[in-house]
Amino acid sequence: AQSVTQLGSHVSVSEGALVLLRCNYSSSVPPYLFWYVQYPNQGLQLLLKYTSAATLVKGINGFEAEFKKSETSFHLTKPSAHMSDAAEYFCAVSEGYSTLTFGKGTMLLVSP
Amino acid sequence: DAGVIQSPRHEVTEMGQEVTLRCKPISGHNSLFWYRQTMMRGLELLIYFNNNVPIDDSGMPEDRFSAKMPNASFSTLKIQPSEPRDSAVYFCASTGAGLESTDTQYFGPGTRLTVL
Repeated sequence: AQSVTQLGSHVSVSEGALVLLRCNYSSSVPPYLFWYVQYPNQGLQLLLKYTSAATLVKGINGFEAEFKKSETSFHLTKPSAHMSDAAEYFCAVSEGYSTLTFGKGTMLLVSP
Repeated sequence: DAGVIQSPRHEVTEMGQEVTLRCKPISGHNSLFWYRQTMMRGLELLIYFNNNVPIDDSGMPEDRFSAKMPNASFSTLKIQPSEPRDSAVYFCASTGAGLESTDTQYFGPGTRLTVL
């Protein structure tokens, strides 16, 4: 069975600083990996997804993630944080049939 | 184009009462998912449908929970009787075409349920 581990339930950065949110996965088959973002009182929105094409995936709002099979990781990065990036971020893995297993989420806090 | 629509957005009820949550998927999507989100357990998949047929309901916590999809544009999640531990945010999501591993799920805004 697949699983996702997100390191750090909260990450704090200053505006303009690098954002790094960590995600490690466990999967018995080549995985498809996703990052979703959840703003307060809203549903989840897809940021980006890895579907076995390029290992470096670019998403919306300047975010990107790199699939590293040897490290079983799919960390999310953004070079320069903006106040509007403050939200909760979820990493998820799919092994088939559209079903997703989500990590516990990481709350990103951005200070001015 | 309208996204996934859920109603009500907030529901407060008393223990023992029946609760019905509603979802309208994106037009043309034929897979629908119900999730529950709590602080303790995070996001859990409860059940999903493809072409209105339940495919996997192994995430439904108890017999008190039931879900239906009578047509392609409407689904309900019912809890009867409700208990305080059912308090959570319930999300509905939909995807297009078939059940492909790379499908993007589109989430509704959620229903925040509080059972007193």
